[in-house]
Amino acid sequence: GAVVSQHPSWVICKSGTSVKIECRSLDFQATTMFWYRQFPKQSLMLMATSNEGSKATYEQGVEKDKFLINHASLTLSTLTVTSAHPEDSSFYICSADDILMSYEQYFGPGTRLTVT
Amino acid sequence: DQQVKQNSPSLSVQEGRISILNCDYTNSMFDYFLWYKKYPAEGPTFLISISSIKDKNEDGRFTVFLNKSAKHLSLHIVPSQPGDSAVYFCADIYNFNKFYFGSGTKLNVKP
Repeated sequence: GAVVSQHPSWVICKSGTSVKIECRSLDFQATTMFWYRQFPKQSLMLMATSNEGSKATYEQGVEKDKFLINHASLTLSTLTVTSAHPEDSSFYICSADDILMSYEQYFGPGTRLTVT
Repeated sequence: DQQVKQNSPSLSVQEGRISILNCDYTNSMFDYFLWYKKYPAEGPTFLISISSIKDKNEDGRFTVFLNKSAKHLSLHIVPSQPGDSAVYFCADIYNFNKFYFGSGTKLNVKP
């Protein structure tokens, strides 16, 4: 089956530093990847849609300069949280759209970010 | 605005009995809904989907029902097993490939 990986699975960083999270589709090509965040006991909130070779589309209320997304290839998208603050602490999950399968998205295992 | 609501934050069921998870939606452009299961600190995994051309879709122990007039869908799990204990999200599709998730229902299946 389709597998999406994320790295790292958890990260602790200090306020003001930047953190990069990688999302990879391991056995399929994904023209589109999505980044979500989830706060405790809340739903998954879509942050941005990442298309290979073009700029990401951000949802309303998401700061594009803070959450930098790069989709350099059909199997890799990265999310960089710049100048992290404690309120950025959250669970970040990516998903990938299999270009051969309509509607199905495959989710990564998530990355737990803690900003101290 | 797409809105998908799961009004029950939690549900507790005895092993072997039926679990019914509910989801209401307001405006659906594509009439295609999905259910995902999520364990803590993991990404969601796809369970089952349904499109508007059907009112029921079944896959093993999981059945999803869609009532378009009521804008309501439900996920039935029969028989429920302790391993089914997780958070279940319903999701609506908008803009072709964007998902709008409900707030989730935490299912606890007691042995």
